[in-house]
Amino acid sequence: GAGVSQSPSNKVTEKGKDVELRCDPISGHTALYWYRQSLGQGLEFLIYFQGNSAPDKSGLPSDRFSAERTGGSVSTLTIQRTQQEDSAVYLCASRPAGAGGSYEQYFGPGTRLTVT
Amino acid sequence: GNSVTQMEGPVTLSEEAFLTINCTYTATGYPSLFWYVQYPGEGLQLLLKATKADDKGSNKGFEATYRKETTSFHLEKGSVQVSDSAVYFCALSEGSGAQKLVFGQGTRLTINP
Repeated sequence: GAGVSQSPSNKVTEKGKDVELRCDPISGHTALYWYRQSLGQGLEFLIYFQGNSAPDKSGLPSDRFSAERTGGSVSTLTIQRTQQEDSAVYLCASRPAGAGGSYEQYFGPGTRLTVT
Repeated sequence: GNSVTQMEGPVTLSEEAFLTINCTYTATGYPSLFWYVQYPGEGLQLLLKATKADDKGSNKGFEATYRKETTSFHLEKGSVQVSDSAVYFCALSEGSGAQKLVFGQGTRLTINP
């Protein structure tokens, strides 16, 4: 079946502009995560959505970052007033519902963001 | 907070060599442990996992054992192939709640023929 998809695959933007990154999770997966992969910080958690619960935003690095998930499916990560340090690969992952850490997170191919 | 420390890379080996990539963790509670792999030009994919102490995860000839006493989850393979060249990430997640993954820094592995 279809995996996690993300768009765009690459985005180049000028410093100060806003960007939106999109994630389509695997159908039926209720949990959705955003991570960031950068040279300086490695792979780091940004935000987590589970069903209709309030999202866990504890990993967002600043208030310029926000995310929403509409209808429990597609998610959009928005970065306002981009800075050069925002340059990274943004990864989305989804997981089926259920307790316990045994459920695998399935990752999308990522969006490579370059802020010039 | 929770953290994962893995062996610094890059690691370069010859084909058929024995591989060990060390991984240790710090966590409260009882995390699940994972190895993820990122092949060149591809996304992250799960290689193997272990959800409780003494569990051994295995896949594609790779193995790792969840050692609670040493808080370790070292990745091993007896005979590596050129196709194993990739970046390997050790990770943990808590057994409840968000189960967000905490990753190590990654180890780039290159296998020469």
